Amino acid sequence: DIVMTQSPDSLAVSLGERATINCKSSQSVLNTSNNKNYLAWYQQKPGQPPKLLTYWASTRESGVPDRFSGSGSGTDFSLTISTLQAEDVAVYYCHQYYSAPFTFGPGTKVEIK
Amino acid sequence: QVQLQESGPGLVKPSETLSLICTVSGDSIKSHYWSWIRRPPGKGLEWIGYIYHTGSTNCDPSLKSRVTMSVDTSKNQFSLKLSSVTAADTAVYYCARGKTAVAGTWFDPWGQGTLVTVSS
Repeated sequence: DIVMTQSPDSLAVSLGERATINCKSSQSVLNTSNNKNYLAWYQQKPGQPPKLLTYWASTRESGVPDRFSGSGSGTDFSLTISTLQAEDVAVYYCHQYYSAPFTFGPGTKVEIK
Repeated sequence: QVQLQESGPGLVKPSETLSLICTVSGDSIKSHYWSWIRRPPGKGLEWIGYIYHTGSTNCDPSLKSRVTMSVDTSKNQFSLKLSSVTAADTAVYYCARGKTAVAGTWFDPWGQGTLVTVSS
């Protein structure tokens, strides 16, 4: 199984500042045949289901604000919120869909400082 | 607009079988892979397994001996059964659609989730 880890567990950022969440996979999720990283990011707010933010590591889902950006390749990835807004308070998960069993990171809680 | 809705008992006794149904609207259940995912209290997301309309399934090895998944194309529904439950199976259970037509894909959309508590 591919184990996903995230850092930090939580972070507090001032409004308007940058927040960066890191995600690491225990093995590469890059498919060299199509040069795509099988990595997605989700945002989950209390009482709501996870919401897709990005897929293929860096493709932003339609309707997601452009302050959210994903990057990375192979085993190391990150999600950046360029200017934190109050509505961005949530838990963020990375997810590998390279191979089953599909796995998620443990989550990173983002709060306002 | 594609919508998924989980339904089933919110309370299951230990050693019994948890049963949930996901009803899909706005899309044909024949067009994607459909997954079950759960979130135990205070923990992260856990993928349980997926099913395709042909009946083909795949699930997490740690749950495989207890999981049964099925699909009813006439009702546009798929279901999950988890046997011999314990308190560790207490979680919010989500159903979700695999976005593309292959098994390895991201999940979107998700159902609202249903809390299942295992307790006597």
